[in-house]
Amino acid sequence: GAGVSQTPSNKVTEKGKYVELRCDPISGHTALYWYRQSLGQGPEFLIYFQGTGAADDSGLPNDRFFAVRPEGSVSTLKIQRTERGDSAVYLCASSLGGQAVETQYFGPGTRLLVL
Amino acid sequence: GDSVTQMEGPVTLSEEAFLTINCTYTATGYPSLFWYVQYPGEGLQLLLKATKADDKGSNKGFEATYRKETTSFHLEKGSVQVSDSAVYFCALMGYGGSQGNLIFGKGTKLSVKP
Repeated sequence: GAGVSQTPSNKVTEKGKYVELRCDPISGHTALYWYRQSLGQGPEFLIYFQGTGAADDSGLPNDRFFAVRPEGSVSTLKIQRTERGDSAVYLCASSLGGQAVETQYFGPGTRLLVL
Repeated sequence: GDSVTQMEGPVTLSEEAFLTINCTYTATGYPSLFWYVQYPGEGLQLLLKATKADDKGSNKGFEATYRKETTSFHLEKGSVQVSDSAVYFCALMGYGGSQGNLIFGKGTKLSVKP
């Protein structure tokens, strides 16, 4: 079946602009996660949704970052007033939801470059 | 806070060589431990996991044993293939913490030569 999909695959923007990154989880997965991966580093947790609500947003670096999941399926990560330091690969993952330890299935990522 | 340290890469091996990638962790309580792999041009995928001390995770010939006494989860494979060339990430999920909070190491790039 279809895996996690993310769009766009690449995004180039200018400093100060607003961007939206989209994640389409595996059908039926109620848990959704966003991570950020900088060059040469492992992924860093940003936010976790269970259904429509953000269960844990402790990884969001500041208030320029915001994520929504209004219908409990597709999620959008929004970054305001982008900075060059926001350049990274943004990864989305989903899991079934409801268990203590679950396998997270990752999408291919969106590579964001802020000029 | 919780953290994962894994050996620096890149690691270059000949086909059929023995592989070890070291991973140690710092965590309170009893975390679950994971190895994820990223093949060239593909997304991260779970390779194996262990949820309690002395558990051994295994998949595709790879193994790792959860050692609480040494806070380690080293990845091993007896005979690597060219197709194992990838970046390997060790990760933990804290006990009782948010399901989402996977903490990753920096990754180890493995290249296997024919």
